[in-house]
Amino acid sequence: GAGVSQTPSNKVTEKGKYVELRCDPISGHTALYWYRQSLGQGPEFLIYFQGTGAADDSGLPNDRFFAVRPEGSVSTLKIQRTERGDSAVYLCASSPPGQGKDTQYFGPGTRLTVL
Amino acid sequence: AQSVTQLDSHVSVSEGTPVLLRCNYSSSYSPSLFWYVQHPNKGLQLLLKYTSAATLVKGINGFEAEFKKSETSFHLTKPSAHMSDAAEYFCVVSDTGGFKTIFGAGTRLFVKA
Repeated sequence: GAGVSQTPSNKVTEKGKYVELRCDPISGHTALYWYRQSLGQGPEFLIYFQGTGAADDSGLPNDRFFAVRPEGSVSTLKIQRTERGDSAVYLCASSPPGQGKDTQYFGPGTRLTVL
Repeated sequence: AQSVTQLDSHVSVSEGTPVLLRCNYSSSYSPSLFWYVQHPNKGLQLLLKYTSAATLVKGINGFEAEFKKSETSFHLTKPSAHMSDAAEYFCVVSDTGGFKTIFGAGTRLFVKA
């Protein structure tokens, strides 16, 4: 079946612009995670959704970052006033009901480049 | 607080020889531990996980890891490396019952012919 998909695969923007990154989880998966992976580092947790609500957003670096999941399926990560330091690969993962973090299926990521 | 340290940023082995990727963790509670692999231009894939059952965990592609509480370690091993094992490997820790997962910085495995 279809895995986690993320669009766009690549996004180039200018400093100060607004961007939206989309994640389509596996159908039926209730949990959804966003991570950020900077060059040469491991993924860094940003936010976790259970259904429509953000159960843990402690990893969001500042208030320029925001994520939504209005219908409990597709999620959008929104970054305002982008900075060069936001350049990274943004990863999304989803989990089936009842399995939470123990079984995360990752998407291919969106590579964001801020010029 | 949780943390995870991968002791080697790069490991190079010859095809057919054993693989050892080292990971130490810190966790205030009973941890769940994972190893993920990331091949170039591909998504992260779960290799194996420890969630307080057997301390020796077997994963996919012949990999296994042993949870050693006394040493706070969760090293990844494979008896015989294959060229297709060349990739980036991440050790991950999470408190049991929690949602936040902490990734290590990764170990890049090179396999020489």
